[in-house]
Amino acid sequence: EVQLVESGGGLVQPGGSLRLSCAASGFTFSSYWMSWVRQAPGKGLEWVANIKQDGSEKYYVDSVKGRFTISRDNAKNSLYLQMNSLRAEDTAVYYCARGKLPDYWGQGTLVTVSS
Amino acid sequence: QSVLTQPPSASGTPGQRVTISCSGSSSNIGSNYVYWYQQLPGTAPKLLIYRNNQRPSGVPDRFSGSKSGTSASLAISGLRSEDEADYYCAAWDDSLSAHVVFGGGTKLTVL
Repeated sequence: EVQLVESGGGLVQPGGSLRLSCAASGFTFSSYWMSWVRQAPGKGLEWVANIKQDGSEKYYVDSVKGRFTISRDNAKNSLYLQMNSLRAEDTAVYYCARGKLPDYWGQGTLVTVSS
Repeated sequence: QSVLTQPPSASGTPGQRVTISCSGSSSNIGSNYVYWYQQLPGTAPKLLIYRNNQRPSGVPDRFSGSKSGTSASLAISGLRSEDEADYYCAAWDDSLSAHVVFGGGTKLTVL
């Protein structure tokens, strides 16, 4: 069974940093693109970033370029999102998902940016 | 403002057939596959349709997808109360900043 479990969310002040993690199991992690997708409270889905199987290609939505970094550790079956210079508008549930266009999704972790 | 355009709401009565549209452009729907997701209240999204019209195992055949040019549609036949959810379309976009684009979502109400 495919499982994706996010962690690392929480309350952070504007300008602060946070690192999200996603532990994957039930499939060959190194064979799949992986993605982060977010959903602000009461809003729709917004793709944030994705990363190729070997980490050689990474793509970001314009609003997070230069602030967020996606990475992965295939030996640990883990996906990460380093978020710096956080803004109020980054407040959202962040989902870890399998695939360039996702097929499986985690349950999400809430990130709240507020003073 | 989402890159893919969906109606904000749709509704139907049990047993009816409902369709949800998704309009894009040549750089996304026009040249790439369309995916559809269902998000029940308080839960994570679930893949409903991939590659325009393919259903993952476990998704009832009441759900079907189609694509024509720069538009796509999700059809739900034999509507059930448990189909009440938010539905999102998505596609890869080949524009300068290659990325994934989502529709704004359609809230389906079963009357």
